[in-house]
Amino acid sequence: EPEVTQTPSHQVTQMGQEVILRCVPISNHLYFYWYRQILGQKVEFLVSFYNNEISEKSEIFDDQFSVERPDGSNFTLKIRSTKLEDSAMYFCASRRPPSSTNEKLFFGSGTQLSVL
Amino acid sequence: QQQVKQSPQSLIVQKGGIPIINCAYENTAFDYFPWYQQFPGKGPALLIAIRPDVSEKKEGRFTISFNKSAKQFSLHIMDSQPGDSATYFCAAIRSTDKLIFGTGTRLQVFP
Repeated sequence: EPEVTQTPSHQVTQMGQEVILRCVPISNHLYFYWYRQILGQKVEFLVSFYNNEISEKSEIFDDQFSVERPDGSNFTLKIRSTKLEDSAMYFCASRRPPSSTNEKLFFGSGTQLSVL
Repeated sequence: QQQVKQSPQSLIVQKGGIPIINCAYENTAFDYFPWYQQFPGKGPALLIAIRPDVSEKKEGRFTISFNKSAKQFSLHIMDSQPGDSATYFCAAIRSTDKLIFGTGTRLQVFP
């Protein structure tokens, strides 16, 4: 089965530093997402991206966050100045166009971000 | 209206038991209800899903029951095995919208 791949699997950074989390969605998918999960809590929506622009974002996704699809394959999440509370597992996800009868969302294995 | 409420928070059963996880939603515009299974250190993986025009769906040992009028749906795991020990999330989505997750249920199946 096709996979969403995320790198790195673990990222440790100092508070105030910038981090970029990388994702390679499944090749024929057009909708892309970032979710995060703080340890032991539920999976929370951050942002959705379609047609080279953000289609929706949550209140968590403030000015410190940005997303980009720099080429035809990568989808990145940048946190400009990390805070302690940004420590979480970040999941990238993708799915086929909304007109498909299959809304299956494929998740990557995540990047564990630790902000010290 | 965008919430999906899930219970219980944790569940412990013996091997062979039938754990049941329940979810409820408010937004009647949701039209696809998946269940995700998550093992520690891994991303959520789709387990089984149902549309509101169907009252039950079965795939192997996993069954979703859906009650559209009550806006509730549940996951039943038949003949549960220790390998089923994981966190289970119900979710809901409306066409092009984001997937909304429930709060998760940590299931432990003891031999």
